[in-house]
Amino acid sequence: QVQLQESGPGLVKPSETLSLTCTVSGDSNSYYWTWIRQPPGKGLEWIGYFYFSGSTNYNPSLKSRVTMSVDTSRNQFSLKMTSVTAADTAVYYCARVSLNYGPVGYYMDVWGKGTTVTVSS
Amino acid sequence: QSVLTQPPSVSAAPGQKVTISCSGSSSNIGSNYVSWYQQLPGTAPKLLIYDNNKRPSGIPDRFSGSKSGTSATLGITGLQTGDEADYYCGTWDSSLSAEVFGTGTKVTVL
Repeated sequence: QVQLQESGPGLVKPSETLSLTCTVSGDSNSYYWTWIRQPPGKGLEWIGYFYFSGSTNYNPSLKSRVTMSVDTSRNQFSLKMTSVTAADTAVYYCARVSLNYGPVGYYMDVWGKGTTVTVSS
Repeated sequence: QSVLTQPPSVSAAPGQKVTISCSGSSSNIGSNYVSWYQQLPGTAPKLLIYDNNKRPSGIPDRFSGSKSGTSATLGITGLQTGDEADYYCGTWDSSLSAEVFGTGTKVTVL
């Protein structure tokens, strides 16, 4: 059974870069992977996805600040978000995606436990 | 700014049934498959339903999903105290080229 574990700094200063890593126990190839966040007391927000081959798709509202990448040799994938503000304070989840086309079937079947990131000086 | 609209809360007594609606548009629910997630307090979301009405292995048949036009519905029968959670719908929006989620619904067992 695949398991995911997020890691990274719990506190980031405003205007700096948020960097998170998701470690996959199990096969990380041939799947899509995604980051999702949840501000305190609010709903889920999709940040984007990437495929192990390198293709990506980011939330249009975050696209200018987000980069996702993968290190298949370490079974890890990462999220970088630049110029953070207090509005980026949230629990960040990584998840495995099942994606099919025609019509699009997109769902997250394996989730990490999440990591809390607070943006504050 | 969620694209999909859900009722903020629903409630029922143990053993009863609840339904949660998820309203969207032609570019999301109207065109693509819908999934549903359960988020127990303090935990990560868990996949309940995918492709409108399919249940992953291990999800009891008390949970069901359906879709009609630009709306989808999650049904929970035989309500249990362990079902108290937030529930979210999700689907791909072809216009935004993004995954979108519902506003979330809190289920309370009276």
